[in-house]
Amino acid sequence: AQSVTQPDIHITVSEGASLELRCNYSYGATPYLFWYVQSPGQGLQLLLKYFSGDTLVQGIKGFEAEFKRSQSSFNLRKPSVHWSDAAEYFCAVGEGGYQKVTFGIGTKLQVIP
Amino acid sequence: GAVVSQHPSRVICKSGTSVKIECRSLDFQATTMFWYRQFPKQSLMLMATSNEGSKATYEQGVEKDKFLINHASLTLSTLTVTSAHPEDSSFYICSARAKSSYNSPLHFGNGTRLTVT
Repeated sequence: AQSVTQPDIHITVSEGASLELRCNYSYGATPYLFWYVQSPGQGLQLLLKYFSGDTLVQGIKGFEAEFKRSQSSFNLRKPSVHWSDAAEYFCAVGEGGYQKVTFGIGTKLQVIP
Repeated sequence: GAVVSQHPSRVICKSGTSVKIECRSLDFQATTMFWYRQFPKQSLMLMATSNEGSKATYEQGVEKDKFLINHASLTLSTLTVTSAHPEDSSFYICSARAKSSYNSPLHFGNGTRLTVT
């Protein structure tokens, strides 16, 4: 069965600092990988996805993620964090694309001025 | 963009009563809808997958008689929590997909906070 591990439950960064959120996955075949963001009391918004091709994927809001098969990782990065980036971030792996998506436990990002 | 409307956003009910949550795709036809449950500080847990016009497929451990799912049209799916108990209190989120192809993205509703007293 597929699974996702997000080792950091809570991360605090200063505004303007760089950000990296870690994600490791377990999946037998070629993974379909996603990062979603959730603001309090809201649904999820897709930041970016990896299906195939270039292992460095660009997303919305200045985020990017790199797929590393050898490390089974799909870490999310942003060079300069804004206060509005404070939210919860979920890494996810899909079976057959969006057919069945399994989410990690989430990383809550706090941004301090 | 594709919009999924979930209603109500917040509901409080008494133990033993039933609560219905609606999930509507506003500007597309949703062949498949998914229902998730999210506990505090935990991830989204897939409860069930529903395809229009057919019975929902429930994940292991989810009581189908407790959580009734109906997907009667291409724009509406409902989740009814029957005989609700305090342990059913949670955040419920639906998502919808327009087509059954692998790369047809999921669109999420804003969730429903259910509190059972």
